[in-house]
This record gives sequence, C-alpha cells and structure tokens, in this order.
Amino acid sequence: AQTVTQSQPEMSVQEAETVTLSCTYDTSENNYYLFWYKQPPSRQMILVIRQEAYKQQNATENRFSVNFQKAAKSFSLKISDSQLGDTAMYFCAFIMNRDDKIIFGKGTRLHILP
Amino acid sequence: NAGVMQNPRHLVRRRGQEARLRCSPMKGHSHVYWYRQLPEEGLKFMVYLQKENIIDESGMPKERFSAEFPKEGPSILRIQQVVRGDSAAYFCASSRTDRGNTEAFFGQGTRLTVV
Repeated sequence: AQTVTQSQPEMSVQEAETVTLSCTYDTSENNYYLFWYKQPPSRQMILVIRQEAYKQQNATENRFSVNFQKAAKSFSLKISDSQLGDTAMYFCAFIMNRDDKIIFGKGTRLHILP
Repeated sequence: NAGVMQNPRHLVRRRGQEARLRCSPMKGHSHVYWYRQLPEEGLKFMVYLQKENIIDESGMPKERFSAEFPKEGPSILRIQQVVRGDSAAYFCASSRTDRGNTEAFFGQGTRLTVV
C-alpha cells in the first residue's frame, strides 16, 4: 500500500526566510505523480506544485520548488522569500498514473511570522 | 468558470439524523471524488464517481454512507443516522479525466458537526 509521511507537524519561520517542508512516500510503482497542496484557514485546497516521477528535473513554480529524490522516495518543498500569505497547512500527496485516488500525508502547519 | 461548489459550507445534525452534502463539479468535469478530513489530519479518500456510476468506493464505510452522481444535478454524499464520529470536513474534487496527470480541483468543503 502507498503511504505518504510528513514528519514535521508544525513549523514557524520569519517572513522573507526560506523554509523546507519534508515528505517521504512509499510505493513499489515506477510511474506516479507527487503534489504539494496548500490549505489556508479558508480550508480551500490549492495545488501548489506537481512533479511527474519520470522527470528528473525538479519542478519550480515561482517561489516554490521541490527536491525530488526518487531513489530515496523523498519529495521536499522549498518556499523562498516566505510571505505572510504562505501561512497554511501544507499537504504532500501522491497518485499513481493508473489509479484514481490521491493519497495525502497528515500535513505540516506552517506559520510565517512578521 | 465557477470552481467546484459544495453546499452547505456548514451543517449541524443531531445524532440519528441524515446529512446530505452536495457537490457541483467544475464545468466540463465528469469525475468526482469525495474525501473526509478529520481535525489535524490529511484528507482520506472515500469514493470516486463518474456520471451515474460508482467507480471506486473502497474508502466508504460499509454502513450508513452512500454517494451518487446522477446524470443531471450535483453529486450527493449521504450519511444516514449520523453519529458523533462522523463530524469532519468533507471535500469534493472534480477532474476532466481519471488520469493521474490531470489536476483535481477541490471545493471548499462542508464541515459537518454532529451534536
């Protein structure tokens, strides 16, 4: 069975600093997709970034980037120049190419301090 | 193009009552997924539906829970004879296809409180 583990329940950083959120996953599949979702207090689930497992190049979206280590089954999210609006729960998620269920980690609550 | 619409946003039910949660997918989306989020937890998959068909209900409790996605109208998640443990946020997501590389868009959720 596929699992997603986020080992940091909560983190706090000062505004403008860089922060890295950790995620590991377990699967025997070779083709899959990884995601980071952001859930602000409004509860809306917002897709932050997506990584295809067959791509070696790490995905980047503006201030958000990932460090994808396929052999280590690690998928960390780096937020550069953090902003107050980045305060939210962040969920790492996994889906197999042939499957339909997104599997979520338990989340990391990130506080950006002014 | 409106996003995924869920209603109500908040629902309070007494133990033993029925709860009906509605989800209207994005325009052009024929795949709907329901997830449940307990406090301080991630989202847990419940059921995946296409129009008039349940494709995967492996995450649904065997009793009291049912889901449908009729040809016309929203998808409905129904919980009969609710108990306190059903209190959670229920999220609906929709996508154009069921391929993994297709983004799923989430609604804002329905927070169910059973008193």
